[in-house]
Amino acid sequence: DAKTTQPNSMESNEEEPVHLPCNHSTISGTDYIHWYRQLPSQGPEYVIHGLTSNVNNRMASLAIAEDRKSSTLILHRATLRDAAVYYCILNYGGSQGNLIFGKGTKLSVKP
Amino acid sequence: GAVVSQHPSWVICKSGTSVKIECRSLDFQATTMFWYRQFPKQSLMLMATSNEGSKATYEQGVEKDKFLINHASLTLSTLTVTSAHPEDSSFYICSGRKTGGRGAFFGQGTRLTVV
Repeated sequence: DAKTTQPNSMESNEEEPVHLPCNHSTISGTDYIHWYRQLPSQGPEYVIHGLTSNVNNRMASLAIAEDRKSSTLILHRATLRDAAVYYCILNYGGSQGNLIFGKGTKLSVKP
Repeated sequence: GAVVSQHPSWVICKSGTSVKIECRSLDFQATTMFWYRQFPKQSLMLMATSNEGSKATYEQGVEKDKFLINHASLTLSTLTVTSAHPEDSSFYICSGRKTGGRGAFFGQGTRLTVV
């Protein structure tokens, strides 16, 4: 499974946008980019995923670089409930790949 | 989104006893289920992957005789920690993947404390 690199931690102010970066320079053509987040003492929660094009859903947006070697998760208006560890994971395009978690980015949101 | 339910949410057991954790996909069929372990302030570590009706595939360093995984149906997988010891105390998380799907849906986790 290809690896990802994320900053250990980031801070944001409430109501402001947050851009969480992820580098995946060894990504292969069939790897999907997945984002999950984990609140304390809970299982991970799906946020968004994409392959090549930028993606939007009710939780966030995913901006994928043209060469696919990096991506950015965008929370448009951070709330206190968005404070969590965010994981960027690569998953083989079919249904065979495992989800291998890296260390993730711990996002703190200040009121 | 799809729902995965784990039971129990937390359990305390005596050293040397066995503990079973259930993982159910409530509104979808999970062809593949994954079991993870997470120690405090660390990331999730994949323990094993199981496909319905097949033997589980364990990650390197995970003892298959100690962590018994059963995936007898498309909606239920169980993890049994046999002869538990204090070092097995951890947060255990399961996830299920739909047939032909990408990614997975996670349970809420089970906090195991062995005393």
